[in-house]
Amino acid sequence: AQSVTQLGSHVSVSEGALVLLRCNYSSSVPPYLFWYVQYPNQGLQLLLKYTTGATLVKGINGFEAEFKKSETSFHLTKPSAHMSDAAEYFCAVREPLDYKLSFGAGTTVTVRA
Amino acid sequence: ETGVTQTPRHLVMGMTNKKSLKCEQHLGHNAMYWYKQSAKKPLELMFVYNFKEQTENNSVPSRFSPECPNSSHLFLHLHTLQPEDSALYLCASSLGLSGTPNSPLHFGNGTRLTVT
Repeated sequence: AQSVTQLGSHVSVSEGALVLLRCNYSSSVPPYLFWYVQYPNQGLQLLLKYTTGATLVKGINGFEAEFKKSETSFHLTKPSAHMSDAAEYFCAVREPLDYKLSFGAGTTVTVRA
Repeated sequence: ETGVTQTPRHLVMGMTNKKSLKCEQHLGHNAMYWYKQSAKKPLELMFVYNFKEQTENNSVPSRFSPECPNSSHLFLHLHTLQPEDSALYLCASSLGLSGTPNSPLHFGNGTRLTVT
């Protein structure tokens, strides 16, 4: 069974600064990996996903994530934070032969002007 | 407009009430899900339906009763709830359960439920 750990429940960054959200997983096989974003009073929206192929994945809104098998990590980054990036971010994992998606506890991002 | 629509957006109910949450997807998906989102906790998968058949009941109390009349509609019937059931209930859909493991979930905006 897979599990997901998001380090840091709350991250605060200055506008224009790097955003780095950490996600580590445990899985018996290389899984499929997802990042979702949730804005206030809304559902979750897919930011990006890794399935196979290139380990650096680009998503919407300038976000990208890199799959590192040796570190069992899938950290999310954005070079320059914008005020509109304030939201909660969820990392999720699915093993290839399982339809269930396991979510991390989420990281809330606040952006300071 | 999101491809997954949930109604109502907010619901306040007493512990003796009966109410239903509704979810509708316009994406042509075959799998639908109910998740519970509570503060400070990871999303909890409650139920999964694939081609209208229930494939997952994640040890959910019987006071929650799902219904999936077709692949586009999903309901969650509520009765005699407890205050700890207050949460955001999210509906999601995906292409299917088999053959498309890299298919992401598409979420609705949720129903904010408060049990008094």
